[in-house]
Amino acid sequence: DAMVIQNPRYQVTQFGKPVTLSCSQTLNHNVMYWYQQKSSQAPKLLFHYYDKDFNNEADTPDNFQSRRPNTSFCFLDIRSPGLGDAAMYLCATSRGTGRNEQYFGPGTRLTVT
Amino acid sequence: DAKTTQPTSMDCAEGRAANLPCNHSTISGNEYVYWYRQIHSQGPQYIIHGLKNNETNEMASLIITEDRKSSTLILPHATLRDTAVYYCIVRVAGGNEKLTFGTGTRLTIIP
Repeated sequence: DAMVIQNPRYQVTQFGKPVTLSCSQTLNHNVMYWYQQKSSQAPKLLFHYYDKDFNNEADTPDNFQSRRPNTSFCFLDIRSPGLGDAAMYLCATSRGTGRNEQYFGPGTRLTVT
Repeated sequence: DAKTTQPTSMDCAEGRAANLPCNHSTISGNEYVYWYRQIHSQGPQYIIHGLKNNETNEMASLIITEDRKSSTLILPHATLRDTAVYYCIVRVAGGNEKLTFGTGTRLTIIP
């Protein structure tokens, strides 16, 4: 059974056209993360939510926003996608008690045309 | 969190043990060693973690040196499905929740 679900798996958007990626979880975990992974690179954390507490990484561009309306769902909004934002976007969850592993979804591959 | 150093790539014959090294010479006393892997076009998958004792689970074994400056992930009987990028990550327990991925080791299992 899928525990971290990302929709869609593939997303094509136009340069400058806002796009939203979604993530849901069935694990009831406190923490949800968004990572960006560009081709042949390691995943890089954009931000995370600990419950409703939003934590942004210092080098995450303002173009990237996130929403977490409830425990199960988290959204990544890219306000004005550029060609450099084409990447795999990975959602992950964890219990949030310090030593717990993160569970990753399959990712959404974003193409910007 | 401490930085890690891993070989860029390794090959291993199918059925043999795959031993993946990781150096973390600046590790602090309260930092754990985590291993994740990422199979092509999938999200990363947690494998194992440890503090100072050796650990084993259904996927792998983790051997941490006594001085904790290096560790080895062991896949006892590698299969073709173990072909992936393996990431060694050091992070503080109870600290911020993020994982900082390094470049990892690309492990290829040879039939």
